[in-house]
Amino acid sequence: EAGVTQFPSHSVIEKGQTVTLRCDPISGHDNLYWYRRVMGKEIKFLLHFVKESKQDESGMPNNRFLAERTGGTYSTLKVQPAELEDSGVYFCASSTSGSQPQHFGDGTRLSIL
Amino acid sequence: AQKITQTQPGMFVQEKEAVTLDCTYDTSDPSYGLFWYKQPSSGEMIFLIYQGSYDQQNATEGRYSLNFQKARKSANLVISASQLGDSAMYFCAMFRSGNTPLVFGKGTRLSVIA
Repeated sequence: EAGVTQFPSHSVIEKGQTVTLRCDPISGHDNLYWYRRVMGKEIKFLLHFVKESKQDESGMPNNRFLAERTGGTYSTLKVQPAELEDSGVYFCASSTSGSQPQHFGDGTRLSIL
Repeated sequence: AQKITQTQPGMFVQEKEAVTLDCTYDTSDPSYGLFWYKQPSSGEMIFLIYQGSYDQQNATEGRYSLNFQKARKSANLVISASQLGDSAMYFCAMFRSGNTPLVFGKGTRLSVIA
């Protein structure tokens, strides 16, 4: 069984540019989560999809972040325009139900210059 | 609101020795779950062990065991017979019942010394 895959693994862009991160969850996992870890701080929740619907987006920092999950399969997280404080590692995780462990991808390391 | 506290930013342990990584939590929900994840230097997050709030026995997975003390709201991870490959960041996390997002602690960096 393939795990959660994230693309790209690294992205370096300039302030003001746009970046799109992609997450492919484990097949059959309805729940998909995005998290972010800024250097030296805790891993913070961004949002949660159940299939194609946004269940909880209370962690999204501002309207420069847009997440979609087309057809309840893969998800994208777009940052437009990127700011310096958006730098960090963005993790995607998926699970079958809340009592099951969330399986994480390897993360996308985003650097804004 | 839920909160996870990991008070040990860094820990050292001799190879083959056991080590305990501390985790305390705060929640008013009667139903919740606790996880430990390992993040090696390569960056991926690896699930280690899970404990449900209603589980009667402490969870064990190979060399990992969770010392769950509900009254003290602690869920310490015990790694027995440490190996060099155990060197990594370790995160304690919790969620309320249902498909809710995880709340993470700041993590503990474990270094295993030969």
